[in-house]
Amino acid sequence: DVKVTQSSRYLVKRTGEKVFLECVQDMDHENMFWYRQDPGLGLRLIYFSYDVKMKEKGDIPEGYSVSREKKERFSLILESASTNQTSMYLCASSLWGWAGQPQHFGDGTRLSIL
Amino acid sequence: SQQGEEDPQALSIQEGENATMNCSYKTSINNLQWYRQNSGRGLVHLILIRSNEREKHSGRLRVTLDTSKKSSSLLITASRAADTASYFCATEETSGSRLTFGEGTQLTVNP
Repeated sequence: DVKVTQSSRYLVKRTGEKVFLECVQDMDHENMFWYRQDPGLGLRLIYFSYDVKMKEKGDIPEGYSVSREKKERFSLILESASTNQTSMYLCASSLWGWAGQPQHFGDGTRLSIL
Repeated sequence: SQQGEEDPQALSIQEGENATMNCSYKTSINNLQWYRQNSGRGLVHLILIRSNEREKHSGRLRVTLDTSKKSSSLLITASRAADTASYFCATEETSGSRLTFGEGTQLTVNP
């Protein structure tokens, strides 16, 4: 089974801090994704990556950046955390393919910015 | 922007009953996927239906897709308390492999 591991289940940080959320997958997937999930808004795509050192903006990239130095690891960075970034963050991975591939999710990081 | 919209937002049924959730979308798609999320956990992929398919089954799950109406339905038969979760549809548009998720249906199955 594919395993996607997010480094923290719960995280509390202060406004203005630089925050790193880490995600590791063990199935050699090409694609990796970062979403945030908020009540009433569903899942919104922040950034995704099709390959090492490649990144693409999703629907809400403002205030975030990402890093993918190794195929198995995709990091989300909050450059200067703000209270409106308090949310559940979900990482996912999938195989590259024409025919459509399911995404495999980690258990999420619930981030609170005080 | 959200592509899929689930209906209803919340559904409460008794164990043994069937649960039907609907999803509508706006643009042309390669495929539509359904996911389940237990409280406080990540999403788990349930089933994928391609744009040239009309119906698909997996265990107690039945998914239909009507591309002319841009809609899909997920039927869970003989529901169990353990089916209590949020269910999301997600569409992969013809332009790429990213998914766009709806806001989900919260299903509660009462024992």
